[in-house]
Amino acid sequence: KQEVTQIPAALSVPEGENLVLNCSFTDSAIYNLQWFRQDPGKGLTSLLLIQSSQREQTSGRLNASLDKSSGRSTLYIAASQPGDSATYLCAVINDYKLSFGAGTTVTVRA
Amino acid sequence: EPEVTQTPSHQVTQMGQEVILRCVPISNHLYFYWYRQILGQKVEFLVSFYNNEISEKSEIFDDQFSVERPDGSNFTLKIRSTKLEDSAMYFCASSALAGPSYEQYFGPGTRLTVT
Repeated sequence: KQEVTQIPAALSVPEGENLVLNCSFTDSAIYNLQWFRQDPGKGLTSLLLIQSSQREQTSGRLNASLDKSSGRSTLYIAASQPGDSATYLCAVINDYKLSFGAGTTVTVRA
Repeated sequence: EPEVTQTPSHQVTQMGQEVILRCVPISNHLYFYWYRQILGQKVEFLVSFYNNEISEKSEIFDDQFSVERPDGSNFTLKIRSTKLEDSAMYFCASSALAGPSYEQYFGPGTRLTVT
């Protein structure tokens, strides 16, 4: 059974600092990995998708890396802003379903 | 930009009642999913649906649950006899093509409260 772990569970940084969010998974036979953002009481917004054959994906200030063999992904958010405050979820897909981590809750202090 | 929509946004029901949660996936998508998130817990997969049949389901998706695509646009999740532990946020998702490599797009969720 796929287990997805996210460290740290919570993170508080001053505005402008770069954020590094970690995700690890136990079964490396994944098709892809998605990073999501979730605001309190809200739905899931897809941020980035990395195919299993890719090592990196970028969108604006976001950059996600994938090391499938070691079962790890990292989401980097450059020059954080208060609007980046949210919970970030990592999810991997095996056999047509997503397995989610518990998330990292980020607070960016103005 | 096309998006997945869900209704209602919040449903309150009494234990033992039947509920139907509704979703309208993105129009050209072929794969549909239901996930749930109990407050404070991880998002969990419930079921995937393709070509008018269930392609995979989790152990959570027991006989109390069913899914249906009653027409060309709606995708529904029915819980026959709700229990207190069914209280959760339910998310519908869809993906474009028939394959696991494709990005899943999520709706805003329906918060189900069972009293």
